[in-house]
Amino acid sequence: EPEVTQTPSHQVTQMGQEVILRCVPISNHLYFYWYRQILGQKVEFLVSFYNNEISEKSEIFDDQFSVERPDGSNFTLKIRSTKLEDSAMYFCAGSRDRAYEQYFGPGTRLTVT
Amino acid sequence: QKEVEQNSGPLSVPEGAIASLNCTYSDRGSQSFFWYRQYSGKSPELIMSIYSNGDKEDGRFTAQLNKASQYVSLLIRDSQPSDSATYLCAVNGKQAAGNKLTFGGGTRVLVKP
Repeated sequence: EPEVTQTPSHQVTQMGQEVILRCVPISNHLYFYWYRQILGQKVEFLVSFYNNEISEKSEIFDDQFSVERPDGSNFTLKIRSTKLEDSAMYFCAGSRDRAYEQYFGPGTRLTVT
Repeated sequence: QKEVEQNSGPLSVPEGAIASLNCTYSDRGSQSFFWYRQYSGKSPELIMSIYSNGDKEDGRFTAQLNKASQYVSLLIRDSQPSDSATYLCAVNGKQAAGNKLTFGGGTRVLVKP
């Protein structure tokens, strides 16, 4: 059964550095998402992406964040200048259709020191 | 602010018994409803989706939806120790472009042998 994959599984970075989190969605998915979960807190929506455009973004997704689907298979989340409060698990998800089930990748644990 | 509320638990259930989890949501226009299971340190795993009022059964799981009361529930029959996890209720709002999921804080379930 196809799965969403994410790399790296754990990323440690210093405050102010740029990080790129990578995701390979399931091949027949058309809608893509990034969520994050700070330790002990709810899963929070960051951004949705469809047809090579951002569909919706949350208040968290400010100018420091960007997403890209550079080659038709990978889906990336870039944080330009990381802050301590960006430390969280970042999950990529995908779905076949707008209201359909979203399947999550295993996540990338981002630690900002 | 669109909210999804769950009792945080822990819900302690003897092995073989039924676990009953509840979720309420504030956005009356919500269209799609999902239950995810999350083991500690892992990503959300989809276990049930429900789109219309009534019951939906899948194996040992039954989801119940009542849109008039803005209430979703999950029953786990014949609970097993491996069911011990946090169960997340997620709601998809109106079919706007974004299709984001709003998550509740989760209910922690402990199944005791």
